[in-house]
Amino acid sequence: QVQLQESGPGLVKPSQTLSLTCTVSSGSISSGDHYWNWVRQPPGKGLEWIGYIHYSGSTYYSPSLKSRVTISMDTSKNQFSLKLTSVTAADTAVYYCARAGSDWGQGTLVTVSS
Amino acid sequence: MVLTQSPDTLSLSPGDRATLSCRARQSTNSVSLAWYQHKPGQAPRLLIYGVSNRATGISDRFSGSGSGTDFTLTISRLEPEDFAMYYCQYYGVPPFDFGQGTRLEI
Repeated sequence: QVQLQESGPGLVKPSQTLSLTCTVSSGSISSGDHYWNWVRQPPGKGLEWIGYIHYSGSTYYSPSLKSRVTISMDTSKNQFSLKLTSVTAADTAVYYCARAGSDWGQGTLVTVSS
Repeated sequence: MVLTQSPDTLSLSPGDRATLSCRARQSTNSVSLAWYQHKPGQAPRLLIYGVSNRATGISDRFSGSGSGTDFTLTISRLEPEDFAMYYCQYYGVPPFDFGQGTRLEI
């Protein structure tokens, strides 16, 4: 079973860029027909899908975040990453990486505050 | 795909049967509908994929059904550990949005 682990700063200042990395172990991100996703949950709210990168390198982003989001992958490190620009307090959330829906990281809390 | 779950909150007791609904705004011929259980401080847990297929290790008390625009998650004989948030997700055509969730409480 593949394992995923999110990493990155837990505190980001407003207007700056949020950057997170998901490290995948016990499986290759460049093999198999898999979608590698980012999902977030703001405090007290439901799950919000952010976007995915396919093992082929193609991406798709939530329309509500598309102008600010970039998902990329580094096959040499078996990692994929999330960048979210121009953050505000509304971007404060627990951020999860997931392979399709079956395998998830434990999540990492990112707070946007000065 | 916009998904609307109902009810927002479902109050039941251990041993009861729970029926959770997920309605899609538009009909889909796809079977790409999943259900997740989510507890505080934990990652979401895949319960059902492809409308009715149980994920690995999921109890047969959990079952999924439906087609078109209406989908259902049924939990028979509720156990104390079943009380949590439940989300549906359509993953046929992106964006792979989630429903707003149903809170299953004691």
